[in-house]
Amino acid sequence: AQTVTQSQPEMSVQEAETVTLSCTYDTSESNYYLFWYKQPPSRQMILVIRQEAYKQQNATENRFSVNFQKAAKSFSLKISDSQLGDTAMYFCAFNHNSGGYQKVTFGTGTKLQVIP
Amino acid sequence: KAGVTQTPRYLIKTRGQQVTLSCSPISGHRSVSWYQQTPGQGLQFLFEYFSETQRNKGNFPGRFSGRQFSNSRSEMNVSTLELGDSALYLCASSLAFSPTYNEQFFGPGTRLTVL
Repeated sequence: AQTVTQSQPEMSVQEAETVTLSCTYDTSESNYYLFWYKQPPSRQMILVIRQEAYKQQNATENRFSVNFQKAAKSFSLKISDSQLGDTAMYFCAFNHNSGGYQKVTFGTGTKLQVIP
Repeated sequence: KAGVTQTPRYLIKTRGQQVTLSCSPISGHRSVSWYQQTPGQGLQFLFEYFSETQRNKGNFPGRFSGRQFSNSRSEMNVSTLELGDSALYLCASSLAFSPTYNEQFFGPGTRLTVL
């Protein structure tokens, strides 16, 4: 079974600084997608960034970028120039084909606090 | 397009009761997945419905069930509620046009409290 591990339950960062959230996963699949989702306090979960496993280039979305190390099964999220609105739970997720259908597995989340 | 909606947003029930939660996906989305979110456990996958058929099921007891209607709206039911069922229940919809790619769009969740 696929597993996703986020080893940092909580993190904090000063406003305007950079922070990196870690995620590792375990799979025997070769074709899959990885996601980072953000869940602000009392608000809906939204997709932050996605990475296709067959692409070597790391995905970037404005201040958000990933460091995808396929061999190491590592998928970290870097947030540059942190803003107060970045305060949220961040979930790493793994999406693969299971028996002909997609299945998404989430990590336990990292609670990020941006300090003014 | 309207986003994913879930009703009700909050529920308080007592042990032994049953509850039904509703999810309306984004128009055109055919896949609806349900998750249970609890502190420290992250999101635990309950089940996924596609075209009125359950395609995937997580490791939850049979007290948790669901269904999907022809308009893709989905309901999940929990019977004989236990204290441990207190959680945020999230619904997510997707186009599911690819067997490997699934960008999910989440609803606001239903906060269930079991007393």
